[in-house]
Amino acid sequence: GIQVEQSPPDLILQEGANSTLRCNFSDSVNNLQWFHQNPWGQLINLFYIPSGTKQNGRLSATTVATERYSLLYISSSQTTDSGVYFCAVGTNTGGFKTIFGAGTRLFVKA
Amino acid sequence: DAGVIQSPRHEVTEMGQEVTLRCKPISGHNSLFWYRQTMMRGLELLIYFNNNVPIDDSGMPEDRFSAKMPNASFSTLKIQPSEPRDSAVYFCASSRGTEETQYFGPGTRLLVL
Repeated sequence: GIQVEQSPPDLILQEGANSTLRCNFSDSVNNLQWFHQNPWGQLINLFYIPSGTKQNGRLSATTVATERYSLLYISSSQTTDSGVYFCAVGTNTGGFKTIFGAGTRLFVKA
Repeated sequence: DAGVIQSPRHEVTEMGQEVTLRCKPISGHNSLFWYRQTMMRGLELLIYFNNNVPIDDSGMPEDRFSAKMPNASFSTLKIQPSEPRDSAVYFCASSRGTEETQYFGPGTRLLVL
């Protein structure tokens, strides 16, 4: 099946810093989503981005489907950005599946 | 909209007992997903429904697990009998279509003693 790898696994930032999170996938996918899981466990959808670039405030994401990767950019990080960021890909190979990466754990220091 | 609603939020039970988790998707959403999150295995898709019909249950770990969606506004995930290794957070998510943005509920934290 498709492998989804996220990097880095852990990241510590000073408030105000910028960062880039990466998601690589091993095969063609139908869609890709980025989620943020906050410290209380809630999963929030950030982007639905099978290809191209989207921006939402301080966050933006780019997916290059032909090269099988996606990037999540966080600018001017805030302590509330702390949590785990997941990449999830959707594939119809062998039936529809949503496959999550292991996540990037981000801690933003004040 | 209230978002995806799950109940109970926490469940503690003893091995061998039946556990039923409930989910109400966002109104108008046609697809519903059940996930399990553990430290060891991360987030795994267990089963998903489209228009109340189970489409793919290949992620259901074993026959002890079953899921139903009797109507567009309600789904259940049942574990019978439960085992300690079933301890996890179970999430329900819904979307307008199978390949659209998924919205997650708050999850049910299950502990099987």
